[in-house]
Amino acid sequence: EDQVTQSPEALRLQEGESSSLNCSYTVSGLRGLFWYRQDPGKGPEFLFTLYSAGEEKEKERLKATLTKKESFLHITAPKPEDSATYLCAVQGRSARQLTFGSGTQLTVLP
Amino acid sequence: DAMVIQNPRYQVTQFGKPVTLSCSQTLNHNVMYWYQQKSSQAPKLLFHYYDKDFNNEADTPDNFQSRRPNTSFCFLDIRSPGLGDAAMYLCATSREAESYEQYFGPGTRLTVT
Repeated sequence: EDQVTQSPEALRLQEGESSSLNCSYTVSGLRGLFWYRQDPGKGPEFLFTLYSAGEEKEKERLKATLTKKESFLHITAPKPEDSATYLCAVQGRSARQLTFGSGTQLTVLP
Repeated sequence: DAMVIQNPRYQVTQFGKPVTLSCSQTLNHNVMYWYQQKSSQAPKLLFHYYDKDFNNEADTPDNFQSRRPNTSFCFLDIRSPGLGDAAMYLCATSREAESYEQYFGPGTRLTVT
């Protein structure tokens, strides 16, 4: 059974204070690891897909990296508008569906 | 812009009164998904359609049904809503079932009174 654990559950940062969110996973053959951003009361917004260890993707202040056991979402010099819940999900070779983590709730204070 | 649209955004129903939520997409994706998400929890997959092929998750209650009359539309029917069914219901689409990202709609917040 595929499993995803995200840490920390909640993170408060000052504006400009860089940090990383962790997504640890176990899966039988990784088809893809996906990062989403979810604002309160809205659907998740797709950010990145990573397929293999060593892969990196960047978008504005966000950078996602992948190893064989975990993924990190690095946030550089965050702004208050980066405040949201960040969800990680994996798809294994035996499944069509995604397995989601419970998310990290990020708050960036001005 | 291509997108996933859900209606209504907010739905209030009475205990035991059937309710239908709708989803439409302009992405022309083959796969459509319905998720249930409760506060501070991960989205939970209820079922998905790969084209017209319906796939039900093993732990999805019989109270939940779905229809996909064509590529663009998908409906979630809750036959007899209970208080525990109050949640955000998310529709998502993907081009294919494997290895492709899913795109989510804004969700429908269901309240059961």
